[in-house]
Amino acid sequence: QKEVEQNSGPLSVPEGAIASLNCTYSDRGSQSFFWYRQYSGKSPELIMSIYSNGDKEDGRFTAQLNKASQYVSLLIRDSQPSDSATYLCAVPQNTPLVFGKGTRLSVIA
Amino acid sequence: GAGVSQSPSNKVTEKGKDVELRCDPISGHTALYWYRQRLGQGLEFLIYFQGNSAPDKSGLPSDRFSAERTGESVSTLTIQRTQQEDSAVYLCASSPTSGGSFGYFGPGTRLLVL
Repeated sequence: QKEVEQNSGPLSVPEGAIASLNCTYSDRGSQSFFWYRQYSGKSPELIMSIYSNGDKEDGRFTAQLNKASQYVSLLIRDSQPSDSATYLCAVPQNTPLVFGKGTRLSVIA
Repeated sequence: GAGVSQSPSNKVTEKGKDVELRCDPISGHTALYWYRQRLGQGLEFLIYFQGNSAPDKSGLPSDRFSAERTGESVSTLTIQRTQQEDSAVYLCASSPTSGGSFGYFGPGTRLLVL
């Protein structure tokens, strides 16, 4: 069974701090990785994708990929209360995206 | 419309009844996915369509579940003889390319089986 693992949280950080969300995956052949944000009662929204080892930055978000360690992370700088949501890591396994169970982030004002 | 749409947005049904859920993907998107999300849980893959290829049905939990898609247009997910454990949000996503790339999600259908 190919898996995507995340800590369920909740992860609580103060406003303005860096939030670090982590994800590990089991399929060494995976080539692309996605982070989705899901607000309570809403559907998931794609916020970041990463395909190569290293860092990819987009505004306050940075995705980090280490294929050797089968590890992908999402950093949120200057966290805001509006960032409070569940963050889902997703990895294509053959064709469908396999999602982790998500990490619930709470940013405290 | 600009995004993926789903209908109905909410459905309450009695145990044993059949329900049909509809998904309208983004125009031109070849790939379409159905997922299920139970309250407080992660996304559970159900079925995947890619163009005119045979669908990947590996995630369907039982033979009470079936789905159809005509070409690259609308898809319907049918649940026969609904059970209380079928209560969940059913999410549809479409993608512009094949190969399991990223997907754009619809707002979901919230199904409650009494």
